Amino acid sequence: EAQVTQNPRYLITVTGKKLTVTCSQNMNHEYMSWYRQDPGLGLRQIYYSMNVEVTDKGDVPEGYKVSRKEKRNFPLILESPSPNQTSLYFCASSLTAGTQYFGPGTRLTVL
Amino acid sequence: EDQVTQSPEALRLQEGESSSLNCSYTVSGLRGLFWYRQDPGKGPEFLFTLYSAGEEKEKERLKATLTKKESFLHITAPKPEDSATYLCAVPDKSDYKLSFGAGTTVTVRA
Repeated sequence: EAQVTQNPRYLITVTGKKLTVTCSQNMNHEYMSWYRQDPGLGLRQIYYSMNVEVTDKGDVPEGYKVSRKEKRNFPLILESPSPNQTSLYFCASSLTAGTQYFGPGTRLTVL
Repeated sequence: EDQVTQSPEALRLQEGESSSLNCSYTVSGLRGLFWYRQDPGKGPEFLFTLYSAGEEKEKERLKATLTKKESFLHITAPKPEDSATYLCAVPDKSDYKLSFGAGTTVTVRA
């Protein structure tokens, strides 16, 4: 089954404790992306990757890091999480930017 | 900066009561407009892509249309299972950055 998986699905952590949210796709897509979704603000793009070793900033990259060492994986790293990064995070993959397949989401709470 | 605005924010419909959602955009050189459906607690699901003014796409009770300034998502004779948040999005010139509207939450009562 074609899918995008994210782990963990739920995470509660404390300020400053480094964390990684994993994302994996099995559709051989070159393009992958991370979004955060907040009430009233909608989906905002954090980072995207056009291919292995090629990444670029989206609209809200501050406080986040990404890496793309393999085509199927695109982890999101929060080196020092803060409460304003409490949000619902989605990973997506696609052949082009518009027709994206989204993962199930990771709900992150930073205390 | 590209802007995508959706209206209304919320729409409550009776089963069978047709209505339309609006997505207006300000982007130079439209490179496609995309509609997604999002169910509570789930990731958005792709519905349609529209590329040129006058284009229409249909899927079951949904029909998306595009003009030079906006897109409409028409819901004909909706059923409770059509309840969801509908999102529209446009890519920037690079085709790699996607800007989403805030969405319209549709609730269909039986």
